[in-house]
Amino acid sequence: QKEVEQDPGPLSVPEGAIVSLNCTYSNSAFQYFMWYRQYSRKGPELLMYTYSSGNKEDGRFTAQVDKSSKYISLFIRDSQPSDSATYLCAMSPILTGGGNKLTFGTGTQLKVEL
Amino acid sequence: DTGVSQDPRHKITKRGQNVTFRCDPISEHNRLYWYRQTLGQGPEFLTYFQNEAQLEKSRLLSDRFSAERPKGSFSTLEIQRTEQGDSAMYLCASSRGGGRGDTQYFGPGTRLTVL
Repeated sequence: QKEVEQDPGPLSVPEGAIVSLNCTYSNSAFQYFMWYRQYSRKGPELLMYTYSSGNKEDGRFTAQVDKSSKYISLFIRDSQPSDSATYLCAMSPILTGGGNKLTFGTGTQLKVEL
Repeated sequence: DTGVSQDPRHKITKRGQNVTFRCDPISEHNRLYWYRQTLGQGPEFLTYFQNEAQLEKSRLLSDRFSAERPKGSFSTLEIQRTEQGDSAMYLCASSRGGGRGDTQYFGPGTRLTVL
């Protein structure tokens, strides 16, 4: 069983829809959570990061973390065709003095249709 | 552009050949990471450097793989005697380090195809 599970999709929504992307994890040591967006044949682009349970908002994006359920979400409001990409969740422990290798989900492919 | 850069962007090689990739991190970032990503999967950690010291290597990094970061600046990843299973996107990321987390910024990747 993978440490991080993510539905690969594809997920197709109409323009303007609210999109919900989710990941579950099994490692209680994970304390630092990130969402990356990856366009085809490009490197991952950091969207949001958070340490805490609860919500964090940035423009049209809201990241939600529920550590008790080991469940994280990314919501995209007013989705646009330019949001069409693969969305990767990533997480790591918080290690003082050491590097934090990221463990990724498989990514969810999102397509926003006109 | 002061982001992470990688070179080459694409590499096609024949099985058994050696290849070397380069990564230039964001300036003043003291941590540098290498990941590998295959089609339909998320990136998988390979190794990381704190300045010039290589501090962790994944079991995915076989003896045919070697990484260096001389003088704590750019890094190279070499694969010797390439195999078809090495075909993947090789991603480099850098971070400032310190603090509670370690926000990593990725480069565009080097796509390797082994024929």
